[in-house]
Amino acid sequence: GQNIDQPTEMTATEGAIVQINCTYQTSGFNGLFWYQQHAGEAPTFLSYNVLDGLEEKGRFSSFLSRSKGYSYLLLKELQMKDSASYLCAVKDSNYQLIWGAGTKLIIKP
Amino acid sequence: TAGITQAPTSQILAAGRSMTLRCTQDMRHNAMYWYRQDLGLGLRLIHYSNTAGTTGKGEVPDGYSVSRANTDDFPLTLASAVPSQTSVYFCASSDASGDHYGYTFGSGTRLTVV
Repeated sequence: GQNIDQPTEMTATEGAIVQINCTYQTSGFNGLFWYQQHAGEAPTFLSYNVLDGLEEKGRFSSFLSRSKGYSYLLLKELQMKDSASYLCAVKDSNYQLIWGAGTKLIIKP
Repeated sequence: TAGITQAPTSQILAAGRSMTLRCTQDMRHNAMYWYRQDLGLGLRLIHYSNTAGTTGKGEVPDGYSVSRANTDDFPLTLASAVPSQTSVYFCASSDASGDHYGYTFGSGTRLTVV
């Protein structure tokens, strides 16, 4: 079956750096996505990786290794507003998105 | 503001009753999707439409139906609601590939079936 694994919850300190990992096993690969979802709100798109390597977008970066079935989302200079769930999703061989259950990130002052 | 509008925001529905969740987008996206989100699970695709006039089944289509009469609207109908359909429902849309800009999601409909 298809599977996306990410930690259920993480805690970090304001101003610090946190890395959220995602491993996947899917039938085919056509890209990996990260979304942010604040409690009670809709997911919003953060990043897209289809080739190996690091994509940087301001305080957020996303890394992909297709050979290892692995990605991470790196958040720098954490702010309280970064408290949210972070969803990893992979587009499979049928171009359908398979979603992880999400990682709830708690930021402490 | 361009985006996706879902209605209603929340609803309590008696088991056995029917209901239509509405979804409208103004971005002229070709593809639209209906997901349900349950605690501890990833978003699960119910139905999708790659373009007006076509629809397809997702991972959990049973008990749901959709139509796509035009580009903007993609309603989801529950013919006879059951308690297991209690969930938060998100409508989303994307351009042709949905890659570089991702999916745009509506604000969701929280449905409770009692």
